[in-house]
Amino acid sequence: KAGVTQTPRYLIKTRGQQVTLSCSPISGHRSVSWYQQTPGQGLQFLFEYFSETQRNKGNFPGRFSGRQFSNSRSEMNVSTLELGDSALYLCASSLAGTSMYEQYFGPGTRLTVT
Amino acid sequence: KQEVTQIPAALSVPEGENLVLNCSFTDSAIYNLQWFRQDPGKGLTSLLLIQSSQREQTSGRLNASLDKSSGRSTLYIAASQPGDSATYLCAVDSGGGADGLTFGKGTHLIIQP
Repeated sequence: KAGVTQTPRYLIKTRGQQVTLSCSPISGHRSVSWYQQTPGQGLQFLFEYFSETQRNKGNFPGRFSGRQFSNSRSEMNVSTLELGDSALYLCASSLAGTSMYEQYFGPGTRLTVT
Repeated sequence: KQEVTQIPAALSVPEGENLVLNCSFTDSAIYNLQWFRQDPGKGLTSLLLIQSSQREQTSGRLNASLDKSSGRSTLYIAASQPGDSATYLCAVDSGGGADGLTFGKGTHLIIQP
C-alpha cells in the first residue's frame, strides 16, 4: 500500500508570492492534517480536514488556507509569503480522523522563502 | 493549553545499551499518545500508538508506557543499534482527532558504533 505522498518535495519562492502544496493520503484514509516544522517552534498543527470539511485550525494567520477534495487529496495554500514561512510542511493521514487511529506522515515539502 | 516536554534534548550512547526517552504533558485529558522517529530532512515514521486506556505498547525492541495521571510516557529501546540514530518525537492527541497532535521538541539520539 502506498504511503502518504507530498508534492513538490522542494520549493523556493520569493517574499510576497503564493504557494500551493499537495498531499495525497493513504488509500482509504479520509482525514488529512497539515503541520509546519521549524527549528525554533518544532511541529505545529495547521489544520485538519475530514470528508472535505475543515474541522479545526491551529494558531496561524489567515494567509494559510487549505481544502480537501472528494478523493481525500488535500492542498494547502500560503499567500503573501514571508521569510518566516520557510519550513518543512508535513501532512498526515489517518483512517477516520478519530483518536482510535494512528497518523501516518508524508515526507514533507521543504519551502524556502527568499 | 497542552504542552509536551521531552527530556533529554539529546543523547549519545554506545551501541548495545538499553535506553529510556522521556515525555511529559501538562493536561492529562488525552485521547492517545504517539511516538515517532524522524530521520534528518525526512518525514515522521510512526513507532507506537498508546490509547488513553492502555498502559503500554510493544513493537520489537521498542516499548512505550503511558501514565496518564502523572502526565508521563517513556519510550524504552532495548539493545540499541546505530540504525536507531534519529530524532524521537512524542505527540499527544487532546482533541479526539480533530485538533491535531501536540508535539514535543524531540530527543536527538545518536548510537555510537
